[in-house]
Amino acid sequence: NAGVMQNPRHLVRRRGQEARLRCSPMKGHSHVYWYRQLPEEGLKFMVYLQKENIIDESGMPKERFSAEFPKEGPSILRIQQVVRGDSAAYFCASSPTSRFTDTQYFGPGTRLTVL
Amino acid sequence: GQQVMQIPQYQHVQEGEDFTTYCNSSTTLSNIQWYKQRPGGHPVFLIQLVKSGEVKKQKRLTFQFGEAKKNSSLHITATQTTDVGTYFCAGNNDYKLSFGAGTTVTVRA
Repeated sequence: NAGVMQNPRHLVRRRGQEARLRCSPMKGHSHVYWYRQLPEEGLKFMVYLQKENIIDESGMPKERFSAEFPKEGPSILRIQQVVRGDSAAYFCASSPTSRFTDTQYFGPGTRLTVL
Repeated sequence: GQQVMQIPQYQHVQEGEDFTTYCNSSTTLSNIQWYKQRPGGHPVFLIQLVKSGEVKKQKRLTFQFGEAKKNSSLHITATQTTDVGTYFCAGNNDYKLSFGAGTTVTVRA
């Protein structure tokens, strides 16, 4: 059973470009969470999605960031017009339900560098 | 909002010694989860504590959840080089994990 998959693993963008990060949850998991980790810091919650629905985006910056989890295909975290401060590791996690006792399994992350 | 504080930020340990990392939440938690992240890696789930006062052991690791469900600790005995990494606690209320800043552990052989 494959774990959570993320691609690309490393992404380099110039300021002003768009970054698209993909996350395929574990088989059987329909709940996806995105977290951002700045160097030497903990992970910060960004958004929680179920298939075709955004449940909680309270951790997402109001501008330039968007997320989706379509009926078919991976979840996408999209960052438009990237700035240097967007450089970070972006992790997605998945769980089978949203019960608080469910473990969230993390993918390997995408390391975004903005030049 | 909920804040989770973790101390110490760095722990330098002589191989074979014990150490403890502590986690405190500003609010009562439904449960607390612990993760380990190796340098360049991703968080790997270690354990979840749900009940007040709960204690769980995994080999040399002992995890404890406070009576008030606002604090937790991880104690590692006889530290080995394989214990190197950053240990995060994450408070869980509903589905949202609030991570502490982590304790980064280095081991002197």
